[in-house]
Amino acid sequence: ETGVTQTPRHLVMGMTNKKSLKCEQHLGHNAMYWYKQSAKKPLELMFVYSLEERVENNSVPSRFSPECPNSSHLFLHLHTLQPEDSALYLCASSPHVGNYGYTFGSGTRLTVV
Amino acid sequence: GDSVTQMEGPVTLSEEAFLTINCTYTATGYPSLFWYVQYPGEGLQLLLKATKADDKGSNKGFEATYRKETTSFHLEKGSVQVSDSAVYFCALSDPMNTGNQFYFGTGTSLTVIP
Repeated sequence: ETGVTQTPRHLVMGMTNKKSLKCEQHLGHNAMYWYKQSAKKPLELMFVYSLEERVENNSVPSRFSPECPNSSHLFLHLHTLQPEDSALYLCASSPHVGNYGYTFGSGTRLTVV
Repeated sequence: GDSVTQMEGPVTLSEEAFLTINCTYTATGYPSLFWYVQYPGEGLQLLLKATKADDKGSNKGFEATYRKETTSFHLEKGSVQVSDSAVYFCALSDPMNTGNQFYFGTGTSLTVIP
């Protein structure tokens, strides 16, 4: 148990589907992050939230829509994805945004068909 | 801009062999440096870190020393085990960077064979 829980672990969705990824942490951390991990590419930061406020959006297509209802929960809503969006989506948290080690979840393996 | 470069894999070693995974960085300020490990089917776990020059991070027999003069943070272990098979990521966090993010390397896959 890493302290950051992601559900589901695996997801297969069609290009016209709408689905959501969920991340939950009870570490008392104020910052939460979404990363995309694709084969043979560096981890790509997608979104950063600090105390439920989005502080960074790294030019992510609008078919990915994050939501942070409180400092313990983070969602990634998916809508009309493309096959190249298939990847491992990792959630992480840290005490604050900045110079701290992150705690990662186990990820959601997404396949878009 | 900030970046991390780590050696390409995959790396295959026999059990009890010596491991080195090279990592060099570019940063505008004085970054903190990290090694993360990802076991199959899992997320990334923090393995060790160093926050200033000449610091040595260590954990589970792994070590890395923050070398400012060579901008490096190479990961070493004297005797690897099969259970060390995983992907290793070097990362930095630069407080001088106005962006709020870590920079990760592409990862180095390690397989240890009995």
